[in-house]
Amino acid sequence: AQSVTQPDIHITVSEGASLELRCNYSYGATPYLFWYVQSPGQGLQLLLKYFSGDTLVQGIKGFEAEFKRSQSSFNLRKPSVHWSDAAEYFCAVGAGNNDMRFGAGTRLTVKP
Amino acid sequence: DGGITQSPKYLFRKEGQNVTLSCEQNLNHDAMYWYRQDPGQGLRLIYYSQIVNDFQKGDIAEGYSVSREKKESFPLTVTSAQKNPTAFYLCASNLGVSEAFFGQGTRLTVV
Repeated sequence: AQSVTQPDIHITVSEGASLELRCNYSYGATPYLFWYVQSPGQGLQLLLKYFSGDTLVQGIKGFEAEFKRSQSSFNLRKPSVHWSDAAEYFCAVGAGNNDMRFGAGTRLTVKP
Repeated sequence: DGGITQSPKYLFRKEGQNVTLSCEQNLNHDAMYWYRQDPGQGLRLIYYSQIVNDFQKGDIAEGYSVSREKKESFPLTVTSAQKNPTAFYLCASNLGVSEAFFGQGTRLTVV
């Protein structure tokens, strides 16, 4: 089965600074990749997804992610972080069989 | 509005009691999922269902049961066999290989 690793449990950045959240996946074929965001006590909201084609995908709220097959990575980036971006972020991989697996999440704290 | 509705938002369970968490979707999605979320452990798959009257165990199915009698509904029962049920439970659905849509979650606490 596919799996996802998010190496960073917690990241703190200053407001206005750039952000990169790491995600590595394990899957034998071309994966379907997703990034979700979760505010405390809420469900998950989709930020962006990669199915095929252009390896740089744009999402909502100014986020983007790049699929790098050679590195089995799908890192999430934002050029300038806002205080409202503080949340937990989850990377997920789907195998096309309705079996979606999530990483452990990265909690983002934004300093004023 | 289309979406997924989980109820209740908060649920309290006494020791030895079974409780059922509701999940309803009006998105006409074939697949539905139940995840358990504990701090620092991400989302762990409990059960999933690809079609009506069919479901598969996920990674942590022990102590849980599900049914899928209707396309719109995928209730989760937390049985007394689940020794540590206190957690945040999330229901999701999707269609084919599309992204999953999530409910707002149910927080279950053992009292």
